Amino acid sequence: EPEVTQTPSHQVTQMGQEVILRCVPISNHLYFYWYRQILGQKVEFLVSFYNNEISEKSEIFDDQFSVERPDGSNFTLKIRSTKLEDSAMYFCASKMGLYSNQPQHFGDGTRLSIL
Amino acid sequence: GEDVEQSLFLSVREGDSSVINCTYTDSSSTYLYWYKQEPGAGLQLLTYIFSNMDMKQDQRLTVLLNKKDKHLSLRIADTQTGDSAIYFCADYGSSNTGKLIFGQGTTLQVKP
Repeated sequence: EPEVTQTPSHQVTQMGQEVILRCVPISNHLYFYWYRQILGQKVEFLVSFYNNEISEKSEIFDDQFSVERPDGSNFTLKIRSTKLEDSAMYFCASKMGLYSNQPQHFGDGTRLSIL
Repeated sequence: GEDVEQSLFLSVREGDSSVINCTYTDSSSTYLYWYKQEPGAGLQLLTYIFSNMDMKQDQRLTVLLNKKDKHLSLRIADTQTGDSAIYFCADYGSSNTGKLIFGQGTTLQVKP
């Protein structure tokens, strides 16, 4: 069964550095998402992406964050000048269409640790 | 804003039924989902229910939806130790971009 893959599984970065989290969504999916889960807290929506542009973003997704689909397969989340509070598990998800009966499929996540 | 709430912890004995509860606030919710997260792993879709249904059964899983009370439950029959995980309720809500609103997750502990 096709799946969403994320790399790396764990990223350790010094505060202030830039980090890029990578995702390969399921190949025929058109809608892409990033979520994050701070340890012990809810999974929070960050951003949705369709047709090469952001379709919705949360208040968490400020100028520090950006997303890109640089080619036909990868979907990346860039965090500039990382802060300690960016430490979290970041999940990528993809969805075939916008109909609500088409569920989102999630990757296994990237654990980001900011030192 | 939209919100989803779950109890944090449930402990059951192997072979018993587990019932995990969830409440949501968005009255225009169309689909509600249950995801399972095993330690160190991602979010695995378990099942989902459309808002015009009140029950859906899928093998050992039964989802009950009370739309009037905005209450959703997941029943796992004959719970096994392999069912130990965190279970998340998620609401499709009224977003036109497909974003999900998650509860905080219920940790299910299954004792042998």
